[in-house]
Amino acid sequence: DTGVSQDPRHKITKRGQNVTFRCDPISEHNRLYWYRQTLGQGPEFLTYFQNEAQLEKSRLLSDRFSAERPKGSFSTLEIQRTEQGDSAMYLCASSLVYNAYNEQFFGPGTRLTVL
Amino acid sequence: RKEVEQDPGPFNVPEGATVAFNCTYSNSASQSFFWYRQDCRKEPKLLMSVYSSGNEDGRFTAQLNRASQYISLLIRDSKLSDSATYLCVVNPISNAGNMLTFGGGTRLMVKP
Repeated sequence: DTGVSQDPRHKITKRGQNVTFRCDPISEHNRLYWYRQTLGQGPEFLTYFQNEAQLEKSRLLSDRFSAERPKGSFSTLEIQRTEQGDSAMYLCASSLVYNAYNEQFFGPGTRLTVL
Repeated sequence: RKEVEQDPGPFNVPEGATVAFNCTYSNSASQSFFWYRQDCRKEPKLLMSVYSSGNEDGRFTAQLNRASQYISLLIRDSKLSDSATYLCVVNPISNAGNMLTFGGGTRLMVKP
């Protein structure tokens, strides 16, 4: 499978714990995005990387959230001191910046439940 | 006002019917437009990009009206497998990152 992959697919944690998610983009794609989706809503942008540089962060990304893409390949999203409101599907997408229309392709997501 | 607005539905249609969804966007400088399809508890999948001249892919036709700031998706000869949520997506030109702004989705249920 050469699509975007995410790990884990599901995560259940207790409030206050830290969690980390991983995303592996399509191999030739140089842009990587993180989105969050709650039930009944469309995905909301969190942050994106071009290669290893984090170029933009949403206001949704509080200080408890941090994302990295250290070698310009896979990315991690960490949430510290989780809260119940963090429960959501966390989606990763990738695209090729030289695609003028910037079509983004999504991974299967990590579903986070904070108890 | 939301940046991208869609009727949440659900649209309940019989097999073989033609169904159309509209979506409006607020940023007149938006650059590119898409329809994504999302099945229950799955990731969004790109259905089609929407070009200024409109485009067709089999049973699916997308149109863009920049003057009125709306995008449409027409599905002809609906199949049971078309049942899903259809997300209208806009790439605002004002955002250098090409982040996508999603509508809340329109749910389609095709019945036998």
